[in-house]
Amino acid sequence: AQSVTQLDSQVPVFEEAPVELRCNYSSSVSVYLFWYVQYPNQGLQLLLKYLSGSTLVKGINGFEAEFNKSQTSFHLRKPSVHISDTAEYFCAVNPASGNTPLVFGKGTRLSVIA
Amino acid sequence: GAVVSQHPSRVICKSGTSVKIECRSLDFQATTMFWYRQFPKQSLMLMATSNEGSKATYEQGVEKDKFLINHASLTLSTLTVTSAHPEDSSFYICSAGPGGRGETQYFGPGTRLLVL
Repeated sequence: AQSVTQLDSQVPVFEEAPVELRCNYSSSVSVYLFWYVQYPNQGLQLLLKYLSGSTLVKGINGFEAEFNKSQTSFHLRKPSVHISDTAEYFCAVNPASGNTPLVFGKGTRLSVIA
Repeated sequence: GAVVSQHPSRVICKSGTSVKIECRSLDFQATTMFWYRQFPKQSLMLMATSNEGSKATYEQGVEKDKFLINHASLTLSTLTVTSAHPEDSSFYICSAGPGGRGETQYFGPGTRLLVL
């Protein structure tokens, strides 16, 4: 079985400051990793994903994440945040074995302060 | 990316009535779709896996007779909340992927259900 831990439930940050949202996972099999963003009363939008290859993955809206197999982490970063980045961010894993549901972390609420 | 739609986006109903929520994959076929429920300020909770042409697989604790799932075609899955009660009020989200190993899941915009 897989599990995902998002260490911070809430992250407040000032506008134009850098941010890192932490994600650690546990799995006995190979997994694919995802970050999704959810704006209020909306569904989830894919930010980026790691399937294989380069461990540094770039996504939409200036976000990037780095897969670290030894530390079983997939932290999300942005060098300079905007007010519009205020949202809920979910880290998720998918066992690399077929069309199976994602296993989600509990989410991190990013609040960007003007 | 691929597009998944949900209808309706918001529904208010009286206690005891049934509500049907549709999930459609607009530009790809999906043999499998997933239904989630999300409570305020919480993560998504998987309710069931919807399989085209066969019975859905429900997660432990989810009532099959309460939440009826039908996956009649490769682009449509429906979730019917039968005899809805106020405690069924929630945000329901579906997801689907084009298939394949580790393929990305695309999410619908969600349906806000309020049972009075």
